[in-house]
This record gives sequence, C-alpha cells and structure tokens, in this order.
Amino acid sequence: GAGVSQSPSNKVTEKGKDVELRCDPISGHTALYWYRQSLGQGLEFLIYFQGNSAPDKSGLPSDRFSAERTGGSVSTLTIQRTQQEDSAVYLCASSLAQTDTQYFGPGTRLTVL
Amino acid sequence: AQTVTQSQPEMSVQEAETVTLSCTYDTSESDYYLFWYKQPPSRQMILVIRQEAYKQQNATENRFSVNFQKAAKSFSLKISDSQLGDAAMYFCAYRTSMYSGGGADGLTFGKGTHLIIQP
Repeated sequence: GAGVSQSPSNKVTEKGKDVELRCDPISGHTALYWYRQSLGQGLEFLIYFQGNSAPDKSGLPSDRFSAERTGGSVSTLTIQRTQQEDSAVYLCASSLAQTDTQYFGPGTRLTVL
Repeated sequence: AQTVTQSQPEMSVQEAETVTLSCTYDTSESDYYLFWYKQPPSRQMILVIRQEAYKQQNATENRFSVNFQKAAKSFSLKISDSQLGDAAMYFCAYRTSMYSGGGADGLTFGKGTHLIIQP
C-alpha cells in the first residue's frame, strides 16, 4: 500500500512568514511522529501523536512551533514567524501502534531566506 | 536521557566485501528497541533492521545482521557482500519500550555514518 507522504517536498520562505507542513500517514496507523533533521543538530524528535492527542509537546523547539492532527489521520506542523535557524528537513513517520516500527515519509526541505 | 553514539562519520568498503558500522548507546532502562535506518540521497529513511532488547538472539535481514551486546550497550551493523545500492547514510536509533514507563515515544538517533561503496 501507499507509504507516508509529505507535502510540500520543498518550501522556500522569507524570514518572518508562517509555513504549514503536511503529513499523510500510512492508512490505519494510529501513531504519528515529527522529526527535524539539520546539519548542526542531526535528527531531533519533535512531537508524537497517538490518535489526535499529543501527550508530550516538550520536544517542540519553541512556541513558534505547533502541530495538530485531525481525524486520527493527517497532521500539520506549523511554524510561525520563521527564522533562518528553522531551515531543515522535517520528517514525518507513522506506526501501527505505539510499540511498532516507525515508517518515514520523504520529508519536507524548508529553507528560510 | 538516552544517547546514541556513532563514532564513524564515514566508512568506505569495496563492493562485495563486508563492513561493520558501530553504535553505542547509554540508557538506564532494561527494556527498549534498537534500529538501524538507511537514508539514501532521496532523503527517505528506510528501516534496515530492528532489535528488541529482551531478545538475546541477534536480528538478521538477508545481508544485514547485528551484533547486540546488551551489557556493553553496543549495537553494530554488519553488511555482507556490499552492493552499490547500499551507499547511504546509516543511522542507529533507540526507542524506549512503553513498558519501561518512558516519556515521549520518539526515536533517539545517532549522528550517522556515511557509507561509501567502492566499485
């Protein structure tokens, strides 16, 4: 079946603008994860959803970052007032349940000018 | 907090030879999961192999196998009969088991090893 999909594939924005990144998990997967991959910090875990709820938001880098998931499916990661240090690849993953292997999407490369 | 260390930023191997990528981790938990993921230039993270800490037997997947040493907190990946398509970044990752009462369920990754296959 279809894997995890993310859109857009690439996003270039100006400093101070808001951006929305979208993730479509594998159908039937109840758990969804967001990660950030940057040259300086490597791969960082941002947030995890079980169903529509996020038990722990402490991994989000600042209060400019927010995420939501609706209908137990699609998730959106929103970055407000983007800064140059937000430039990175944002990866989404999903798993059938909490204990299962996470399958990743192709990522969104965000460039903040 | 758990940490994962990959001490080899880059490795090179001749096609058809065997290569071993190193990974060590630090945790106080007894139950957890370990993974190796491959990331080619396409950016897609692909699961290579998975190991449950409570299992003593080393996981294998075709040409890929691990050497899991729980007491030493070591989890190395061996790739046999290396192929050109194996060239990629390889990431070692750790995840708390839900039965350990851990917090966030995200993966903790190492910095990665860039594997080069020489034809």
